[in-house]
Parts: sequence; structure tokens; C-alpha cells
Amino acid sequence: EPEVTQTPSHQVTQMGQEVILRCVPISNHLYFYWYRQILGQKVEFLVSFYNNEISEKSEIFDDQFSVERPDGSNFTLKIRSTKLEDSAMYFCASSEGAPNQPQHFGDGTRLSIL
Amino acid sequence: DAKTTQPPSMDCAEGRAANLPCNHSTISGNEYVYWYRQIHSQGPQYIIHGLKNNETNEMASLIITEDRKSSTLILPHATLRDTAVYYCIVRRLNNAGNMLTFGGGTRLMVKP
Repeated sequence: EPEVTQTPSHQVTQMGQEVILRCVPISNHLYFYWYRQILGQKVEFLVSFYNNEISEKSEIFDDQFSVERPDGSNFTLKIRSTKLEDSAMYFCASSEGAPNQPQHFGDGTRLSIL
Repeated sequence: DAKTTQPPSMDCAEGRAANLPCNHSTISGNEYVYWYRQIHSQGPQYIIHGLKNNETNEMASLIITEDRKSSTLILPHATLRDTAVYYCIVRRLNNAGNMLTFGGGTRLMVKP
């Protein structure tokens, strides 16, 4: 069964450094998402992306965050200058184009900011 | 999106049916009910979704009341691997980019 894959599984970065998290969505999917989960807290929506532009974003997704689909297969989340509070699990998800089709999630990247 | 209410935790004996309730009394006509689960340290896993009719797939059954104000996810024969946090999410579908809003979910513990 096709799945969303994320790399790396664990990223350790110094505060203030830039980090790029990578995702390969399911190949025929058209919508892409990033969520995060701080340890012990709820899964929170960050951003959705369709047709090479952001379709929806949350208050968390400020100017420090950006997303890109650099080629036909990858979908990336960049955090420009990381803060301690960015430490979390980051989940990528994708869905087909039909409105009621579910989002399918990857197993996440654990980001640790030192 | 409509808010959902779920019990924080439930236990179930292995091999028995697990019935997980969800209250969504403010649901509106164009909102679907989705169920996901999250096994420790993994990404949320899609289980099933429905609008008004009952639904069944290889993982579970979803029973939605006639007034759509509540639903029940049924795992017919729970195994130890079904131990997870189960999330009931109501999602409006005016476009396919709508986010999922996760609550606290129900922590299901399947016991031998």
C-alpha cells in the first residue's frame, strides 16, 4: 500500500539554525499538509498546500516557516531560525483531490532543538 | 468545524469488540465524521469516515446516529496492537484543503 515517507526520522539542530524537513507524499495525491505535535500535546495543523501554493495556514505558521514542492515528488517544510519551542514531531500528510478523501500521514520527523 | 467530545480513556479485553463513542452535537449538514488513531510515536492513521450512513471497512465500523449528533467507532475483535489514541474529528468539506482539528482523543488500552 502506498505511504507517505518522511526524512530524517530524527533531526537535532542548534537553536537559530535553519532546518529542512522532507516528505514524499503518495504519488497521485494533490493536497499536502504539515502538522506538528509537541511532546504530550495535541496534533496541530500548520499548513496545507495545493497547486503550488498555500491554501490554508494556522497562526503557528509564521514568517519563520515556509513550504515548497521543489520537484514532482518532494514536499518540504523549512524553519528559518529555529527556537527551542520548535522541538516537536512534525508530520506530513497528503490526500487525493476529492473533498471527502482522507489525509494519510507519514510517521514524522522528531525535531530536537538544542 | 464542529467540536467533538470523547471519553479520555477506555479499556477493552483482547478479542472483544471495542466501542468508542463520540459526541458531535453541533455538527452541520456538510460536515463528515472522520476517525484516526495514533499508536505511540507514529503518525495518525486513517481508519474510516462517514456523512450519515453507517460505514464498514477492513479495520472498523462507523455507526452514526440518525440525528448525526453522535457516532460510535467499533473495532469488532480488538487486539493488543489496537492499543492507541483514537481521534474523532468533524471536518467541513467546502474544499479538499480543509485541515483536521485533533482533540485529545480516547486512549484505548486493549488488555490480554
